[in-house]
Amino acid sequence: QSVLTQPPSVSGAPEQRVTISCTGSRSNIGAGSDVHWYQQLPGAAPKVVIYGSNWRPSGVPDRFSGSKSGTSASLAITGLQADDEADYYCLSYDTSLSGWVFGGGTKLTVL
Amino acid sequence: QVHLQESGPGLVNPSQTLSLTCTVSGGSISSGSYYWSWIRQPAGRGLEWVGHIYSTGSTNSNPSLKSRVTISLDTSKNQLSLKLISVTAADTAVYFCARAQMGIPALLNWFDPWGQGTLVTVSS
Repeated sequence: QSVLTQPPSVSGAPEQRVTISCTGSRSNIGAGSDVHWYQQLPGAAPKVVIYGSNWRPSGVPDRFSGSKSGTSASLAITGLQADDEADYYCLSYDTSLSGWVFGGGTKLTVL
Repeated sequence: QVHLQESGPGLVNPSQTLSLTCTVSGGSISSGSYYWSWIRQPAGRGLEWVGHIYSTGSTNSNPSLKSRVTISLDTSKNQLSLKLISVTAADTAVYFCARAQMGIPALLNWFDPWGQGTLVTVSS
């Protein structure tokens, strides 16, 4: 069981908006740790799509956005496209573990 | 641009030691203040942080693995290494090396870049 909780799967039709939640605790997100989001395609290394809770690296479309509140965070993807279909993971730092923790991952299916 | 490449045996016998190397190119492993990390992913499952070494040499690892993990830097070879002792089938996974951002506190930091990952299977 992961320290950060994500829904196992979400889905949406092309051009729709989906959100993926990441729920933590007072020792990680609630302690002020930033949340970062990764997209992982099959057979590939994860790629950061949101860092610092709501910042996009260059090259990531502005259809991707992040937010954080309390002990939770969310990744929103608008204007869904077929190539957004992937596994998404949240990452944060846990002060109790003195190390990083990942969410269990969410499989995004574009219908 | 920094590039990371993992290497090591793809097959390890149960109860033996898993040893992996991450070769860093495009930058010196000894310059700047970075967290160098190992992350693993069993087939069809999620990501798990294994541990890290900071540029000062201080290390920390996942409590679930702590007693079995050693992470070190070889500055002469510009490499990061991982040793995991007493492995079992549960240690079968793709192992990634990754670097966090320079000068940013751990609380705010994230991993980028990553290596492509290397599959290690524990089996006799």
